[in-house]
Amino acid sequence: RKEVEQDPGPFNVPEGATVAFNCTYSNSASQSFFWYRQDCRKEPKLLMSVYSSGNEDGRFTAQLNRASQYISLLIRDSKLSDSATYLCVVNGRSWYNQGGKLIFGQGTELSVKP
Amino acid sequence: DADVTQTPRNRITKTGKRIMLECSQTKGHDRMYWYRQDPGLGLRLIYYSFDVKDINKGEISDGYSVSRQAQAKFSLSLESAIPNQTALYFCATSDFVASVGTGELFFGEGSRLTVL
Repeated sequence: RKEVEQDPGPFNVPEGATVAFNCTYSNSASQSFFWYRQDCRKEPKLLMSVYSSGNEDGRFTAQLNRASQYISLLIRDSKLSDSATYLCVVNGRSWYNQGGKLIFGQGTELSVKP
Repeated sequence: DADVTQTPRNRITKTGKRIMLECSQTKGHDRMYWYRQDPGLGLRLIYYSFDVKDINKGEISDGYSVSRQAQAKFSLSLESAIPNQTALYFCATSDFVASVGTGELFFGEGSRLTVL
């Protein structure tokens, strides 16, 4: 089992749709969680950090479920510009203690159509 | 100018050749990383460095070496390139955030390496 797993998609949705991505992680000691966005083989960029029970930033909502060991990303009112690959990122209790193991999921591709 | 700069951006080489990918940053961060990205596999950590005197292996360090020449410079070497090292390589930097460990990662634009 991979340490961080995502549905690779692609998710094809119309403009204005609501879409949700899930990400599961295997290390129950993980403490920090992030969503990064990557456009068409360009460099990844931080979209949101996910702390405690989750957080919201405009049309984007990230949720954390520690009991089930998954995080989710909800995008409301999808825009054409949301088309990208969304990367789930998880690290351990302490960057030092985990030996620097920041784990990326393989990414979920989203395509928003007119 | 980009905060994290990688050179070269594209390189085609032959099996057995030595290749160096260079990374420089103006973020003032102590932490620097090298990742590779392959289709369907996401990003995998090769090496990381928390300061000039600190070098650590990541998930897939075999066949690679690194040098931290200064706080701002971190280079990745392939001593004898092989075809399965064909990939997109990213350098990244970050701060340390006490509450969560590593802070936001800032990536370079990537170096696309093809080994024939």
